[in-house]
Amino acid sequence: KQEVTQIPAALSVPEGENLVLNCSFTDSAIYNLQWFRQDPGKGLTSLLLIQSSQREQTSGRLNASLDKSSGRSTLYIAASQPGDSATYLCAVRRESGGSNYKLTFGKGTLLTVNP
Amino acid sequence: GAGVSQTPSNKVTEKGKYVELRCDPISGHTALYWYRQSLGQGPEFLIYFQGTGAADDSGLPNDRFFAVRPEGSVSTLKIQRTERGDSAVYLCASSPGRRNSPLHFGNGTRLTVT
Repeated sequence: KQEVTQIPAALSVPEGENLVLNCSFTDSAIYNLQWFRQDPGKGLTSLLLIQSSQREQTSGRLNASLDKSSGRSTLYIAASQPGDSATYLCAVRRESGGSNYKLTFGKGTLLTVNP
Repeated sequence: GAGVSQTPSNKVTEKGKYVELRCDPISGHTALYWYRQSLGQGPEFLIYFQGTGAADDSGLPNDRFFAVRPEGSVSTLKIQRTERGDSAVYLCASSPGRRNSPLHFGNGTRLTVT
């Protein structure tokens, strides 16, 4: 059974700092990995999706890397801003055949960026 | 365009009652998922629809939970004889159905069973 772990559970940083969020998964047979952002009382917003054949994806100040063989991904946020404060969730989609693309999520990292 | 819409946004019900939660996916999305998120946890898969059929309902916790998608668009998650442990945020997501498509989530329905 796939298990996804995110470290740290919570992180508080001053504005402007660069930071890294970590995600690990136990079964490396994944098709892709997705990073989401969740604001309080809201649903999930997709930030980056990395295919299993890719090493990284970038969007603005965000960069996500994937090391499939070691079961790890990182989300790098450059020059953090108070508006980045949210919970960040990592999720993996299994590789096995069929059309079910369900995701297995970690518990998330609660990020607070202080002005 | 409109995103995934879930109604109601909040639902408070008494233990033992029946509830229905509604999801309107993005137009044209063939795949629809229900997830449940308890406090401090990541979302957990409940059920997946491809078109009108439930292709995978392995995440439904027991037979009190049931979901339908009769016309391949709107879906309803139904919970019978609610229990306090059912309290959570129920999230709906849709996608075009291709394997490398990201999921688009709604804002969820917060269910509280008193």
